[in-house]
Amino acid sequence: GAGVSQSPSNKVTEKGKDVELRCDPISGHTALYWYRQSLGQGLEFLIYFQGNSAPDKSGLPSDRFSAERTGGSVSTLTIQRTQQEDSAVYLCASSLMDEQYFGPGTRLTVT
Amino acid sequence: GENVEQHPSTLSVQEGDSAVIKCTYSDSASNYFPWYKQELGKRPQLIIDIRSNVGEKKDQRIAVTLNKTAKHFSLHITETQPEDSAVYFCAASMWRDMRFGAGTRLTVKP
Repeated sequence: GAGVSQSPSNKVTEKGKDVELRCDPISGHTALYWYRQSLGQGLEFLIYFQGNSAPDKSGLPSDRFSAERTGGSVSTLTIQRTQQEDSAVYLCASSLMDEQYFGPGTRLTVT
Repeated sequence: GENVEQHPSTLSVQEGDSAVIKCTYSDSASNYFPWYKQELGKRPQLIIDIRSNVGEKKDQRIAVTLNKTAKHFSLHITETQPEDSAVYFCAASMWRDMRFGAGTRLTVKP
């Protein structure tokens, strides 16, 4: 079956603009995660959705970052007023049990 | 919340040698410990995992050990090959709330 997909694969934006990153999890997976990976760095946890529970937003670095998950499926990560330090690969993952399945990521470049 | 420390950050071994990567975690409630491999430009993929009711698990050349008392777990790769070169991430999880270590860049020299 289809894996986790993300769009766009690459996004170049000007500093100060807003961006939306999309994640389509594996069908039926109740948990969805967003991570940020700067060049050569680790996986920085951003936010975690589990079913209908309130999301764990403890990893969001500032109030410019927000995420939604509509209908328990597709998720959108929004970054407002982008800054150069937001440049990174944004990875989404979903899980049904414990194993997380990652998407290919969106490479965001803020110029 | 959970905090996962991973060492070393980089590791270089000769082909055929063994490689060991160690992680510690802070939350004694964590009960699931996966290891992910990320090749250059690709997404992380699960290579092995262990649950808290097991002390050791092996899959061909890779093995993971868990010490719940000390709250640490390790990845062991034997007979390393150049294709093992990648970044390896450990993680600790309780009920799908997962946190990752900072990663280890493993280089296997032919």
